[in-house]
Amino acid sequence: KAGVTQTPRYLIKTRGQQVTLSCSPISGHRSVSWYQQTPGQGLQFLFEYFSETQRNKGNFPGRFSGRQFSNSRSEMNVSTLELGDSALYLCASSLPPPSSGRQASTDTQYFGPGTRLTVL
Amino acid sequence: QKEVEQNSGPLSVPEGAIASLNCTYSDRGSQSFFWYRQYSGKSPELIMSIYSNGDKEDGRFTAQLNKASQYVSLLIRDSQPSDSATYLCAFSSFGNEKLTFGTGTRLTIIP
Repeated sequence: KAGVTQTPRYLIKTRGQQVTLSCSPISGHRSVSWYQQTPGQGLQFLFEYFSETQRNKGNFPGRFSGRQFSNSRSEMNVSTLELGDSALYLCASSLPPPSSGRQASTDTQYFGPGTRLTVL
Repeated sequence: QKEVEQNSGPLSVPEGAIASLNCTYSDRGSQSFFWYRQYSGKSPELIMSIYSNGDKEDGRFTAQLNKASQYVSLLIRDSQPSDSATYLCAFSSFGNEKLTFGTGTRLTIIP
């Protein structure tokens, strides 16, 4: 089974521009989460989508947004880029939670290779 | 108090020895615990998941969870140079897909 894929793998932008990153989850996975990783802050949760709905959101400004499509693919967008947005952006997918009798094992998230964004 | 505390290291262990990595967390609502390995320039790779108190073994890896002490650890037996990486502990609460990560422990296995 193919893993999580992310495109593009590398991006260079300048301040003020906007960027869109794409993530395709593992086949059958319907939950997609996004994380930002920087040397100073580590891995931080951005948001999570399930069934085209944002279920959880981290503590990031409104410049960071996302969406999910009916095929579970997800995109995140960063507008008005700042130098501090330079980071590795990681997407992770997991199985959907069952409506009842949830198994903890469905919480396991699998990461894609990431998109390295550099803002100049 | 940080949500997750990890010794950032670096931790150096001779090849063939046992590497011990530790993590404490503050959220008593945490239900699911994970250890990820991250090589330099790569994305995190799941090593172990653990949900119940006690030990869970998978090959050379053993995860230990103590919810009363809010402590989770990872033991790597017969350490190999290929185990050299940053190890991240993470947790989530039941019904919440958000993973909260520690800052990671950099492990170096010395041949």
